[in-house]
Amino acid sequence: AQTVTQSQPEMSVQEAETVTLSCTYDTSENNYYLFWYKQPPSRQMILVIRQEAYKQQNATENRFSVNFQKAAKSFSLKISDSQLGDTAMYFCALGGATNKLIFGTGTLLAVQP
Amino acid sequence: DAGITQSPRHKVTETGTPVTLRCHQTENHRYMYWYRQDPGHGLRLIHYSYGVKDTDKGEVSDGYSVSRSKTEDFLLTLESATSSQTSVYFCAISEGAGGYGYTFGSGTRLTVV
Repeated sequence: AQTVTQSQPEMSVQEAETVTLSCTYDTSENNYYLFWYKQPPSRQMILVIRQEAYKQQNATENRFSVNFQKAAKSFSLKISDSQLGDTAMYFCALGGATNKLIFGTGTLLAVQP
Repeated sequence: DAGITQSPRHKVTETGTPVTLRCHQTENHRYMYWYRQDPGHGLRLIHYSYGVKDTDKGEVSDGYSVSRSKTEDFLLTLESATSSQTSVYFCAISEGAGGYGYTFGSGTRLTVV
């Protein structure tokens, strides 16, 4: 069975600082994909970043980057130069051949002014 | 984005009544999903569809049924609502299998009293 674990229910960071959100996963598949979704107070789910397991290079999207450690089954999200608009719930998700995403329980990030 | 819409956005219903939530997409995507979001559980898959009249159960399908008679519409029915089904319900669509990720609707907050 596939599982996703986010061990940090809540985190806080000062504006302009850097923060890292942790995610570990487990899967028996060789081809899989990992995602980070952001859910601001508006409730909308927004795709932040996507990583293909067969690619060794870590994905980046502007201020957002991941540290993908395949052997350790770790997929952390780094947010640089944190902004007030980054305040949100962040979900890590795992997808594979079945096209069903498995989500972690989320990390609530608060960016403090 | 108007590619996927959910209705209603909010609903309060009484225990024992049937409830139907609607998801409508204009993207012509093959895959559609229903998830529920609860604190401490993240998002959990209720049912999904991989084509017209092709549906399957997710991990929390008890008490729910779905129908997909057209590519663009995916209905979720709570046959006899219970308080444990109070939740936020998300519909999602996906272009294909594997690493496409999802596009989410804006969610429906359902309260069963």
